Parts: sequence; C-alpha cells; structure tokens
Amino acid sequence: QVQLVESGGGVVQPGRSLTLSCAASGFTFSSYGLHWVRQAPGKGLQWVAVIWYDGSKKYYVDSVKGRFTISRDNSKNTLYLQMNSLRAEDTALYYCARDKGVVSPEFDYWGQGTLVTVSS
Amino acid sequence: DVVMTQSPLSLPVTLGQAASISCRSSQSLVHSDGNTYLDWFQQRPGQSPRRLIYKVSNRDSGVPDRFSGSGTGTDFTLKISRVEAEDVGVYYCMQGTHWPPLTFGEGTKVEIK
Repeated sequence: QVQLVESGGGVVQPGRSLTLSCAASGFTFSSYGLHWVRQAPGKGLQWVAVIWYDGSKKYYVDSVKGRFTISRDNSKNTLYLQMNSLRAEDTALYYCARDKGVVSPEFDYWGQGTLVTVSS
Repeated sequence: DVVMTQSPLSLPVTLGQAASISCRSSQSLVHSDGNTYLDWFQQRPGQSPRRLIYKVSNRDSGVPDRFSGSGTGTDFTLKISRVEAEDVGVYYCMQGTHWPPLTFGEGTKVEIK
C-alpha cells in the first residue's frame, strides 16, 4: 500500500536550517510528482512547493522562494525539503503529498506530517 | 495569485440535516483545456487532508454519495445531503487551474450542534 512518512521536524531557532524528508513506499516513486503542503497550528492549508517526477521542474510559494529547496532522490524513494533562514511564520506541520495529475495537481495520498517549530 | 474565499467559516449542523459550503475564486477557474480544476478536501480532527471532490463535481473513490460538488466559473459549492457524525472536520476548496501557486480556501469547520 502507498505510504508517505515524513521526518526531520523539530524545534529550531530563527535563522537556522532544517531538512525534512518524506520516505515513500508502495508505488513507483519516480513516476509521480510530489508536493510539500504546510499547516500552521490551528490554521489552514498552504501549498509550499512541488517537484516534477524526474526533478526537472520545481516551483515554490513566494514566501519561501530563495530560502527553501525541494529535491528528491529517486534511487532512495525519498523527497526532501531543505529549509534555510527559518522564520517564526514557518512554524507548521509539513505534509508531503503525492500528485497523480497531468495538467493540474491531484493529491491522492498524504503523509501524516512532521512538525517544525521555529522559536528562540 | 488566485484568492479562494470560503463561507461560512464555521458551520454547526444537526445530524441528518443538510450542509452547504461556498467557495469563491478571485478569477475564473476555467482552464484553457476546458476543465475547471476545483477540488474539495476534508480534514477530520487529527488527520491528514483527504480529497473528496475533483474538477468541481467528481467524487473520489470511496466518498459517500451524500457529498456533492457543483458550480461554474468563480462560484462553487460543496453540499452534504445528510450530515453524519463522521463528517465533522474542516473542509477546504483548492484551485489548480492557475498554478503555481496552488491556493486553498480558509477552511470551513463543520461541527454537530
């Protein structure tokens, strides 16, 4: 069965870095685009970034451009999110989600999320 | 960026009664390919989101038929014909026509009266 398991969250000081991972299993990892979506405590969903199935294209929400980098290792079935220059407003539960869409994203599986807290 | 506006933000409902959630976009969601990429997600307490409806009115596999989606252009609606206890949670609309970025509505919290 399809599984997405995020890890790497924790408490980090403002300005520092953190790398999240999303380990995938149960499907052909290299055939799907993947996204990061975050949810601040008690708030709604915010799309963060996407990476194409082969890593050829990457897009970000404006608020993280230049600070976050999405990447993937298709040999390890793992998605990453490198987060630099973290701010308090980056505090959130970060989900990875699989995309089965062609023209437009279609989220069919989500992980359980990993919590990032940015605080001094 | 396309702004998605939901109403109401809180929706107390009696079990067995109908519920309706509105979602409006700041511009038409009709794609150049003729499709309208408007999805609805359900997030139960403590759980990850789950897609219910795609392209306005298509139910995902396993979604009860009491859930239905409708709308065109900039105005969309999610209806629950007879609310059950398991429907408690937050519902989000999301547009995938003009992306990146993908944008979600603020969410509508459905609770039982």
